[in-house]
Amino acid sequence: GENVEQHPSTLSVQEGDSAVIKCTYSDSASNYFPWYKQELGKRPQLIIDIRSNVGEKKDQRIAVTLNKTAKHFSLHITETQPEDSAVYFCAASIGTGNQFYFGTGTSLTVIP
Amino acid sequence: SAVISQKPSRDICQRGTSLTIQCQVDSQVTMMFWYRQQPGQSLTLIATANQGSEATYESGFVIDKFPISRPNLTFSTLTVSNMSPEDSSIYLCSVNDLAGAETQYFGPGTRLLVL
Repeated sequence: GENVEQHPSTLSVQEGDSAVIKCTYSDSASNYFPWYKQELGKRPQLIIDIRSNVGEKKDQRIAVTLNKTAKHFSLHITETQPEDSAVYFCAASIGTGNQFYFGTGTSLTVIP
Repeated sequence: SAVISQKPSRDICQRGTSLTIQCQVDSQVTMMFWYRQQPGQSLTLIATANQGSEATYESGFVIDKFPISRPNLTFSTLTVSNMSPEDSSIYLCSVNDLAGAETQYFGPGTRLLVL
């Protein structure tokens, strides 16, 4: 089955700096890659996703890049703010109705 | 996206007992999933709840321990049977809320503590 690895496990940045979280996957059939943000005590919330026919997607301060050849994808958060502090999970799926394989999570702390 | 609720939001149970968790969606959805999230850990899929047929369980999870029902397209239950302290976790349901959609949206979760 699919194996998703995520790095780093913890990340601290100064407010205003950028944060990058990286994930690799093993199954070349995976074609959908969502990112979730989970604040303490809350449910995971989808923040951005990318499909395998796209190399990059951006939504305001958040962007995701995908390298299908290398089987890795990354989350980029620019101009970080304290409210970006949370645990971020990447996931991979082979498509509609199929299970998500989650990474191990990255705890991001933005220092004011 | 669909509005998803879970009951109970939290519970403290004695070992050896069972707890049934409900997941209710405000619209019909194609797929419903049940996940477990142990403290400080990632999300692990327990099973896919299939409407009108038996759930599909992931490796390491069995029907006798985690029976699942899905009587219609808006509701599912997960039972944690014969609980032990190792079952202490957050249990979350998720849904694909649009036919053909890939994205999953999560319910608020049920925090379970087994003493």
